[in-house]
Amino acid sequence: AQSVTQPDIHITVSEGASLELRCNYSYGATPYLFWYVQSPGQGLQLLLKYFSGDTLVQGIKGFEAEFKRSQSSFNLRKPSVHWSDAAEYFCAVGPINTDKLIFGTGTRLQVFP
Amino acid sequence: NAGVTQTPKFQVLKTGQSMTLQCAQDMNHNSMYWYRQDPGMGLRLIYYSASEGTTDKGEVPNGYNVSRLNKREFSLRLESAAPSQTSVYFCASSGESNQPQHFGDGTRLSIL
Repeated sequence: AQSVTQPDIHITVSEGASLELRCNYSYGATPYLFWYVQSPGQGLQLLLKYFSGDTLVQGIKGFEAEFKRSQSSFNLRKPSVHWSDAAEYFCAVGPINTDKLIFGTGTRLQVFP
Repeated sequence: NAGVTQTPKFQVLKTGQSMTLQCAQDMNHNSMYWYRQDPGMGLRLIYYSASEGTTDKGEVPNGYNVSRLNKREFSLRLESAAPSQTSVYFCASSGESNQPQHFGDGTRLSIL
């Protein structure tokens, strides 16, 4: 069965520190991959997506993610975190040729000044 | 740009009451979705509609019905609300297959 795992429920970092949020997926082929961010009381906003091609994908707000087929991973990174990045982050997998997304359970990011 | 609009934003119901959550998008998207979000469980798909006039069950459809009224609107109905349906409900839409989904701001529903 297709699934997405975000192993870290909660991460705390200091402002200015680097960040990596982990995402692993289980799927028979290379799916479409997404990262979304959700601020408190808001809906989900797309950060970036991977469909094919270059395995390092740039997104909004200075985020990037790297697709590693051998590890079935799509980790999200940011070199220097800002206080405004505090939010919940969701990885999602979209099997090819369907309209559905499978979401991970999310990672809540807390940023200390 | 409105994007995806959900109404109401908050609602409190009593067990057994019925309610319809409304969703409208102005991006001319074909596909629309209803999710529920519960702590520690991420987003789970309730129903989706790939095009006007079609609907399909998602992961957790029991206790819900949907209507794709036209291309813009996709409503979710709780016929007899239960406390287990207390959740935050999100509507989303997308264009072509596997294009990113655009989300509304959610409806926070409490059932007593």
